Amino acid sequence: SAVISQKPSRDICQRGTSLTIQCQVDSQVTMMFWYRQQPGQSLTLIATANQGSEATYESGFVIDKFPISRPNLTFSTLTVSNMSPEDSSIYLCSVVTGGGDGELFFGEGSRLTVL
Amino acid sequence: QKEVEQNSGPLSVPEGAIASLNCTYSDRGSQSFFWYRQYSGKSPELIMSIYSNGDKEDGRFTAQLNKASQYVSLLIRDSQPSDSATYLCAVKGLSGGSYIPTFGRGTSLIVHP
Repeated sequence: SAVISQKPSRDICQRGTSLTIQCQVDSQVTMMFWYRQQPGQSLTLIATANQGSEATYESGFVIDKFPISRPNLTFSTLTVSNMSPEDSSIYLCSVVTGGGDGELFFGEGSRLTVL
Repeated sequence: QKEVEQNSGPLSVPEGAIASLNCTYSDRGSQSFFWYRQYSGKSPELIMSIYSNGDKEDGRFTAQLNKASQYVSLLIRDSQPSDSATYLCAVKGLSGGSYIPTFGRGTSLIVHP
């Protein structure tokens, strides 16, 4: 497994602002993902954070809205840009240890409320 | 589009009973399968992973995989009120050179005393 720290754990933001979420892992991991979980819903994959290159976004998510960085094998950031109330959600960093088909572990999440 | 289907529930069982949670998936190329438990307000916690057909047991939990039927299940024996949570099924297969996990919507389990 891995110890995954996310910051902030929660925040209340104003419409139109941007917020950056940080994800720090205690060991080098092969893959990092960012998920969104809206109230009462399951997990939706936003993107795969690729080390040293642009993230791979899922359908419905774009880089301008959710820019992602991954400068090394233990750290990534997700920015939620120009926020609207519809962006109110829990954002989860997750990592795979071992091989690509290995187990996926989650950080504790960042709960964002946009007013 | 890859899909993972779960009955949303809630599934209600009495304390001490066996809870049976089911999941079906659409992608025949899926290779790894996971069950997560998520308490309200918390992030998902990995319970079991299974990669081969058959049963895998870990304490009170048993995962069952049938790739021919594209079906994976989780049995919880001697259910406890502390098992009350949402259980998420996740499936991974190779897509564009990467293993991308797909999650079901989760089944809510209620274990009543």
